[in-house]
Amino acid sequence: NAGVMQNPRHLVRRRGQEARLRCSPMKGHSHVYWYRQLPEEGLKFMVYLQKENIIDESGMPKERFSAEFPKEGPSILRIQQVVRGDSAAYFCASSNTGTSVSYNEQFFGPGTRLTVL
Amino acid sequence: GQQVMQIPQYQHVQEGEDFTTYCNSSTTLSNIQWYKQRPGGHPVFLIQLVKSGEVKKQKRLTFQFGEAKKNSSLHITATQTTDVGTYFCAGLSNYQLIWGAGTKLIIKP
Repeated sequence: NAGVMQNPRHLVRRRGQEARLRCSPMKGHSHVYWYRQLPEEGLKFMVYLQKENIIDESGMPKERFSAEFPKEGPSILRIQQVVRGDSAAYFCASSNTGTSVSYNEQFFGPGTRLTVL
Repeated sequence: GQQVMQIPQYQHVQEGEDFTTYCNSSTTLSNIQWYKQRPGGHPVFLIQLVKSGEVKKQKRLTFQFGEAKKNSSLHITATQTTDVGTYFCAGLSNYQLIWGAGTKLIIKP
């Protein structure tokens, strides 16, 4: 019973390159959430997606960042033209119910540590 | 906007002492969840509270949800080294899960 999978676990990019982070939710889960965590800081919500739909992107920067969760395949968080300030751990979580339901435990993946040189 | 304030940011305790972290919301919450993140790890779900005034226990951990459903606390009795990590609350309000900044539990050597 595989948990939430994220890859790569570590990603190094130079300024100006693109970073593509992947998240495969737990089997049977159709709700995916992306979070960013800077060292020694809390989790910052970025975006909430359900299959093929973005439900809430209020935490995602308007420029350079995008997310998708296609009908088939993993959810992708894409960061274009990365800058040093994008260096952080990016966590994906999944749940089998959305936030419209009172019980919606989130299961987290191991995270992708992005380093921008 | 909606906020969940969590305090303290850090708490240093001697092993065997108690630890408490508090969360306060600016709005009434549908539920509140608690997560633990070990150093270098990812957040792991601990518990969810739904009812006003609810109290739940997991061994040495006691979770409370306030009567007005705007605040919550996590209390750990007689801390052990395995308790080290950051504890996050996350409150559900208007279909949005709002996260506290976390309290880092540090055991003094």
